[in-house]
Amino acid sequence: KNQVEQSPQSLIILEGKNCTLQCNYTVSPFSNLRWYKQDTGRGPVSLTIMTFSENTKSNGRYTATLDADTKQSSLHITASQLSDSASYICVVSANQAGTALIFGKGTTLSVSS
Amino acid sequence: ETGVTQTPRHLVMGMTNKKSLKCEQHLGHNAMYWYKQSAKKPLELMFVYNFKEQTENNSVPSRFSPECPNSSHLFLHLHTLQPEDSALYLCASSQDRSRGGIEEQYFGPGTRLTVT
Repeated sequence: KNQVEQSPQSLIILEGKNCTLQCNYTVSPFSNLRWYKQDTGRGPVSLTIMTFSENTKSNGRYTATLDADTKQSSLHITASQLSDSASYICVVSANQAGTALIFGKGTTLSVSS
Repeated sequence: ETGVTQTPRHLVMGMTNKKSLKCEQHLGHNAMYWYKQSAKKPLELMFVYNFKEQTENNSVPSRFSPECPNSSHLFLHLHTLQPEDSALYLCASSQDRSRGGIEEQYFGPGTRLTVT
């Protein structure tokens, strides 16, 4: 069964600290993996998209890694800010067009001062 | 932020009501999507339209009826809903699902629906 599991479910960190969110998937075939940030009351916003051949991708303070062999991805946030408080959703696509997007439940990150 | 808009942002309706959700995209895209986001659950894809034609219906109950009059507008007509239909309904758009290549989806802010 195609699944995307994220951990932890929730996380609280102090402003300025780093953190890493995990994503394990069992989706097959695999086309690409996406990380989205969803602020409360807003729609998800794309952070990164990685294909099979990419094992790291950065977007500002966000760095995503992908190990297609172990079917694991991580999202590392550096020097966290209060505005990083959000839900982070890992999404795996079985094809390029995204007709088979498998969503994780998300990790809720709270950054406190 | 204003690429994909949704109205209303909040909606409370009774089980016998009929209401419609509206989505508009200003990105020149040709594909539009409806998603349901329930608490503690992953996003669920409901419907997909590409060039105004419905290409996917993920076993959605008939009490949800989509309409796509043109590539910029998407509606979700609601009729005799159940309390378990209460959720955040998200609209998204992407360039064109038929061209090949990775399709980036852009989401609207969602409509928070409560069925009483």
